[in-house]
Amino acid sequence: EAEVAQSPRYKITEKSQAVAFWCDPISGHATLYWYRQILGQGPELLVQFQDESVVDDSQLPKDRFSAERLKGVDSTLKIQPAELGDSAMYLCASSHRSSYNEQFFGPGTRLTVL
Amino acid sequence: DQQVKQNSPSLSVQEGRISILNCDYTNSMFDYFLWYKKYPAEGPTFLISISSIKDKNEDGRFTVFLNKSAKHLSLHIVPSQPGDSAVYFCAARSRNAGGTSYGKLTFGQGTILTVHP
Repeated sequence: EAEVAQSPRYKITEKSQAVAFWCDPISGHATLYWYRQILGQGPELLVQFQDESVVDDSQLPKDRFSAERLKGVDSTLKIQPAELGDSAMYLCASSHRSSYNEQFFGPGTRLTVL
Repeated sequence: DQQVKQNSPSLSVQEGRISILNCDYTNSMFDYFLWYKKYPAEGPTFLISISSIKDKNEDGRFTVFLNKSAKHLSLHIVPSQPGDSAVYFCAARSRNAGGTSYGKLTFGQGTILTVHP
C-alpha cells in the first residue's frame, strides 16, 4: 500500500540552528501539504503545493520557514533559525488533484528545540 | 479564533458500548467535514466524511451526523472496540476560498478515546 514518507522521524536541535524535513508523497498525488501539530492541538496547515507551485502559505512564518517542491514530487520544509516555540510534530500529507477531500498523512517528524 | 472545536479532550467507553465524539464549528463556509483517527507515532488516517448537503453518513461501525443549523457534527462508533482507542480529529473544508486554499482542512483539537475491554 502506498504511503507518504517523511524523514527524519525525530529531530533534536538547539535554538538558532537550522533544520530541514523531507517528504515524499504518494506517487501521482499532485497536491502536497505541510502541517504543524503542537501538542494538545490539531494539525494546522503551513503550506500547500499544487505540483511545484505554492497555492497557500498564509500561515507559514516566512521570516524563518521556507518550503519547496522543485520538481513537483518530493518536498523540503526548512526552519532557520529554529526557536523554542517551533517544537512540534511536522506532518506532510498528499492528495490527488481531483480529490481534495481525503488527504493521506505521513508519520510526521517530531521536532524538539532546546 | 478556533473555527473547529472539540470540547471534550477525552472520552472513556466500555467495549461493546457506543462512543460519541462531538465537534462544533463556527464558519458557515465549511462545506465538507471529515474525521481522522491518529495512533501514537503515526500520522492521522482518514476515517469517514460527510458533505454539508447530507445529515448522515454511515460506514460499518462508524456513523457521522451533521446538524447544520446547530453547526454541530458527531461521530458514533458502535460497537466500540479496544482497537478504536486513539485520538480522533474533526476537520472541515472551506467552500472555494478564492481558489487558493481549496482543500485546506481546519482541524479541531482532538479527543482521546479510550475503549476498555
